Amino acid sequence: DTGVSQDPRHKITKRGQNVTFRCDPISEHNRLYWYRQTLGQGPEFLTYFQNEAQLEKSRLLSDRFSAERPKGSFSTLEIQRTEQGDSAMYLCASSVSGQGNEKLFFGSGTQLSVL
Amino acid sequence: GENVEQHPSTLSVQEGDSAVIKCTYSDSASNYFPWYKQELGKRPQLIIDIRSNVGEKKDQRIAVTLNKTAKHFSLHITETQPEDSAVYFCAASIRTSGSARQLTFGSGTQLTVLP
Repeated sequence: DTGVSQDPRHKITKRGQNVTFRCDPISEHNRLYWYRQTLGQGPEFLTYFQNEAQLEKSRLLSDRFSAERPKGSFSTLEIQRTEQGDSAMYLCASSVSGQGNEKLFFGSGTQLSVL
Repeated sequence: GENVEQHPSTLSVQEGDSAVIKCTYSDSASNYFPWYKQELGKRPQLIIDIRSNVGEKKDQRIAVTLNKTAKHFSLHITETQPEDSAVYFCAASIRTSGSARQLTFGSGTQLTVLP
């Protein structure tokens, strides 16, 4: 599968613990997005990178959340001091910028459960 | 910010019938409208999209229409098949030169095609 890949698929953690997710975008896609999806809702934008630069963050992204894309390829999303309200599916998407036909391709997500 | 309303939340049709899902958006500056299909436990998959300079787009059994004046767009699936059963999300985004795709999603429609 040459699409966007995310790891792990599932993560169960206790409240207060830190968790980190990884996303590998489609090769040569220079834009990478993180979205969050809760049950019965559509995905909500969190942040995006163009190459290694984090260019925008949603107000949904609290100080406990941090994302990196150090080499402009894979990205990590870390949540510190997890809370039960953080339980959700975390989706990564990638795209190629600079085209009028930019399309987002999503990964299968990491399902986070905070106990 | 942008707000996207989607309805119905659930839709059941008989195999072979047509299905229509409708969305409205709030920001008249939105100019890109994709539709994603998400099967249980799988990634959202882009099935069709439309830009604001086009009123209708068709791809085999799937079509999307856009009414910019009324700020609404619709997904039409003809000759439905059981494998069309999934959750469908509409989305809208504003895209200016160089900016990224920050999609605002609707809350989804669970489509069930009855054999």
